[in-house]
Amino acid sequence: NAGVTQTPKFRILKIGQSMTLQCAQDMNHNYMYWYRQDPGMGLKLIYYSVGAGITDKGEVPNGYNVSRSTTEDFPLRLELAAPSQTSVYFCASKAGDPRTYNEQFFGPGTRLTVL
Amino acid sequence: QKEVEQNSGPLSVPEGAIASLNCTYSDRGSQSFFWYRQYSGKSPELIMFIYSNGDKEDGRFTAQLNKASQYVSLLIRDSQPSDSATYLCAVITTGNQFYFGTGTSLTVIP
Repeated sequence: NAGVTQTPKFRILKIGQSMTLQCAQDMNHNYMYWYRQDPGMGLKLIYYSVGAGITDKGEVPNGYNVSRSTTEDFPLRLELAAPSQTSVYFCASKAGDPRTYNEQFFGPGTRLTVL
Repeated sequence: QKEVEQNSGPLSVPEGAIASLNCTYSDRGSQSFFWYRQYSGKSPELIMFIYSNGDKEDGRFTAQLNKASQYVSLLIRDSQPSDSATYLCAVITTGNQFYFGTGTSLTVIP
């Protein structure tokens, strides 16, 4: 199993550009998450999905969009990139109900810089 | 008020000592609590989870939960230089969302 994969690893965007961060998992997990981590800070939840076709906002959704057309893929779309979106983005997946123990598996992250 | 608060440190302990990391949370109805370790430039990895009041031990790690006082702690016994990392506390709230603390940086001095 590859686990959770993310592409690209690094990206530099100009202000106003758009891009899609890719996330895929091969563990047949229902739950998937997108986080951002600013330098010296914890992770903040952007969006999450409890299954194909179902997504919901997290703590910091503004400026982002997601879709979940398959169980495996959960892309994150940035429209009109702003310097405030410079961060490291982590995708994660989890097998079951978050209220019971099931480990979140994290991808390696995408380091995004907006200039 | 932040959902999850941690002392950012840095915390330094000598090799072989006990490292104590603390975390408080604001949602009294939270049910699930997690400790993640994150090495610099890497993604977080789960090291402990706890649901019930009291202590939970796993090797050199002990998680402690006190729901009445709304705090979670992590003890690392016989600290090793390889334990040097940032430790993130995470909580699932009654709204069924994950909240992470800002992390505590730990350095174990050989």
